[in-house]
Formats: sequence, structure tokens, C-alpha cells
Amino acid sequence: AQKITQTQPGMFVQEKEAVTLDCTYDTSDQSYGLFWYKQPSSGEMIFLIYQGSYDEQNATEGRYSLNFQKARKSANLVISASQLGDSAMYFCAMREGRTGGFKTIFGAGTRLFVKA
Amino acid sequence: EAGVAQSPRYKIIEKRQSVAFWCNPISGHATLYWYQQILGQGPKLLIQFQNNGVVDDSQLPKDRFSAERLKGVDSTLKIQPAKLEDSAVYLCASSTDPSTNEKLFFGSGTQLSVL
Repeated sequence: AQKITQTQPGMFVQEKEAVTLDCTYDTSDQSYGLFWYKQPSSGEMIFLIYQGSYDEQNATEGRYSLNFQKARKSANLVISASQLGDSAMYFCAMREGRTGGFKTIFGAGTRLFVKA
Repeated sequence: EAGVAQSPRYKIIEKRQSVAFWCNPISGHATLYWYQQILGQGPKLLIQFQNNGVVDDSQLPKDRFSAERLKGVDSTLKIQPAKLEDSAVYLCASSTDPSTNEKLFFGSGTQLSVL
């Protein structure tokens, strides 16, 4: 069964420092995609970064990078130089092919607090 | 480019009443999703449409929830009758081609409170 685990309900980070948000996943498929989404207090989910299961290089998008360790089935999000606006919920998600279509499932999320 | 539109933004009803939510996906997006997000949890997929056909509704409580996608564009999600545990944010999302690397575009959600 598909499963996404985020073990950190909440994290604190000092402004301008880096922070790592953990994510592990479970799948028997060889082809899948891993995503991170940000959900500010306004409620809208915002796409941050994507990593394909066959990608050999870790994905990067500006201050966001994804530390992909396939053998460990982990896909941790690293935010460098944290800003106050980074305070939000962060969700790890996995997308797999299924009969009839592709399905995206989400973890429980990590709430990030950035301190001034 | 316009984003995913959802209405209403908030809804308060009493248990056993009915409620409907509306979603207009991004133009040209073939796949539409309804997710339920209970406070403190991640989104849970309720139903997924490809054009106007249902791809996955395995987690939709079909005794009270129903959804349709008219002409493969707009979609409505209905709850009848509502229960207290249906209090949640209902998120609509859409995407283009079905693939493992396709990101989802979300609307702002409808926050439902059942009293």
C-alpha cells in the first residue's frame, strides 16, 4: 500500500538558517514521483519541488532542494536561508501510476515556524 | 492564466443538512481531484476524474457523498446528509496530462463546519 510518513509535526528554525523536513515513503513501484507542497495559512497548496524516481541528481528550485535517497526511500526537503514567509505547513506527496490513472497521496505534514 | 476556482469559501451547516461545493479547474486540465483535509491532517483523495469519467472514488463515502463533472469541465461535490465528522476543508485540484511527474494545481478550498 502507498504510504507517506512525515515524523515531524512541528519544526522551529531561526531566520536565515537552513532547515530539513523529513519524508519517507513506501512503494513497490519502480516509477513514481515525489513532491513537496507548501500550505500557508490562506489554505492554498503551492507546489515547491519535484523528484522523479529515475532522476539521479537531487532536485533544486531556488532555496529549496530535495535530498533523495532512493535506497532508504526518503525524500527530505531542505530550505536554505529561511525567511519569515516560509512559516507554513509543508506536505510531502507521492504520485504513482494505477489502473486507470495516476494517484497522488500526501503525508500528514510538518508545520514550520521561522523565528525572527 | 486563471487558477482553480472554488466556491463557496466557507460554509456552516447543521448535521443532516445537505451542502454542495463547486470547482472550476484550469482551462485545458483533463484531470480533476477532490481532496478532504481534516484539521491537522494531510489531504485525502475523495474522487478523481479524467475528463468526465471517474478514475478513482475508492475513498468516497458513497452513502452520503456524490460528485459529478459536467462536460469534463466544472465539478460539484455534494454531501447529503452531512455528519459532524465531515467538518474539513475540501480542496479541488487539477492537472494536465496523466503522468508521474505531473504537479497538481489547487484551489483555495471550501472550509465546511458541521454543527
